[in-house]
Amino acid sequence: GNSVTQMEGPVTLSEEAFLTINCTYTATGYPSLFWYVQYPGEGLQLLLKATKADDKGSNKGFEATYRKETTSFHLEKGSVQVSDSAVYFCALSRVARGKLIFGQGTELSVKP
Amino acid sequence: GAVVSQHPSRVICKSGTSVKIECRSLDFQATTMFWYRQFPKQSLMLMATSNEGSKATYEQGVEKDKFLINHASLTLSTLTVTSAHPEDSSFYICSAPPHEGYQETQYFGPGTRLLVL
Repeated sequence: GNSVTQMEGPVTLSEEAFLTINCTYTATGYPSLFWYVQYPGEGLQLLLKATKADDKGSNKGFEATYRKETTSFHLEKGSVQVSDSAVYFCALSRVARGKLIFGQGTELSVKP
Repeated sequence: GAVVSQHPSRVICKSGTSVKIECRSLDFQATTMFWYRQFPKQSLMLMATSNEGSKATYEQGVEKDKFLINHASLTLSTLTVTSAHPEDSSFYICSAPPHEGYQETQYFGPGTRLLVL
């Protein structure tokens, strides 16, 4: 079946540190891949997405590249800020506007 | 961006009562809406797909008679937790992809926290 696996949290970093959150997936065919972010007390927001192999999604300094050969979609940011503290979810969708399958979420805490 | 609202944001009820949660798309139409459940420190688990004008599609293991879904219009879906028990306490989240246009993006509501005593 389809599934998403993320690295476990919580992840604690100092401001301006480099961030990597690993995400791997299992799916038939060619799913679309997403990163969603959930700030404290708020709903999920789309952070970035990639719809085909080798696509790079980017937003707010975050990047992730769709790697079909390693079935991965790791999230990276060169210099994190305190305001990036949130829970990050990797997800896949098999069809356009279809249901999302989420990873378990990774809590990020950035200290000043 | 598009907005999805949920009401109520939090509810406390007694065991055995029913609770209705509303999910509205405020500035777009959605023929499909998704209902998720999120336990503390865990991921979102899809419960069901709500389809406007037809029956909802439930994921394996989700009791359709306990979690009643009604997609009354192109902007409203409701989830009713019937005869709620403490184990139903959770965070319920809905999402909706805009009906028009090819968009992979789904918009999420802020969630409803249910506590059953």
